[in-house]
Amino acid sequence: DSGVTQTPKHLITATGQRVTLRCSPRSGDLSVYWYQQSLDQGLQFLIQYYNGEERAKGNILERFSAQQFPDLHSELNLSSLELGDSALYFCASSAQPGSYYEQYFGPGTRLTVT
Amino acid sequence: AQSVTQLGSHVSVSEGALVLLRCNYSSSVPPYLFWYVQYPNQGLQLLLKYTSAATLVKGINGFEAEFKKSETSFHLTKPSAHMSDAAEYFCAVSASGNQFYFGTGTSLTVIP
Repeated sequence: DSGVTQTPKHLITATGQRVTLRCSPRSGDLSVYWYQQSLDQGLQFLIQYYNGEERAKGNILERFSAQQFPDLHSELNLSSLELGDSALYFCASSAQPGSYYEQYFGPGTRLTVT
Repeated sequence: AQSVTQLGSHVSVSEGALVLLRCNYSSSVPPYLFWYVQYPNQGLQLLLKYTSAATLVKGINGFEAEFKKSETSFHLTKPSAHMSDAAEYFCAVSASGNQFYFGTGTSLTVIP
């Protein structure tokens, strides 16, 4: 158990809908990362937050947004969902931002768009 | 820009045989390198990381990796495979900024 929690574990929704994925980092970790894992694209970095502020942005679509709250939990919002958004979404946390600090991954949320 | 290439999307070894999973990186500055393992239906778990302190890095579960700058490689090895090692393995690089770049993964099958 990494100490990172993600809810829900599974999510099934229809195209065009909007969903929110939630992540709680390990106790004491200030930085949160979001990743999308799909069969055809592998593990893709989406976005990173540190202590409530956006720190780095990867291959995140404009339909997707995220935020980190004062209690350090983070939410990833996915809107106007398309079939291609079906994937595993992982949250990871680290003590600090920066390359030195390894990331601890949550168990993921499996999103299925029908 | 940084990237990693994992050679071989699928590797099969017999139980007790040497495990060798290959990773080559590209980075314009000294990198930090990581190996993660993903078991079915689980998140990624850190196996080991290289942070320039020593070129041979020992990780959990008997795995180790050697950083070779001249070859831009960070291959993962384990002397004797166990059935429980069957999983997906990811190499990752991070150098500047806050982004981690993951390889496409290598699926390890252990044959009894």
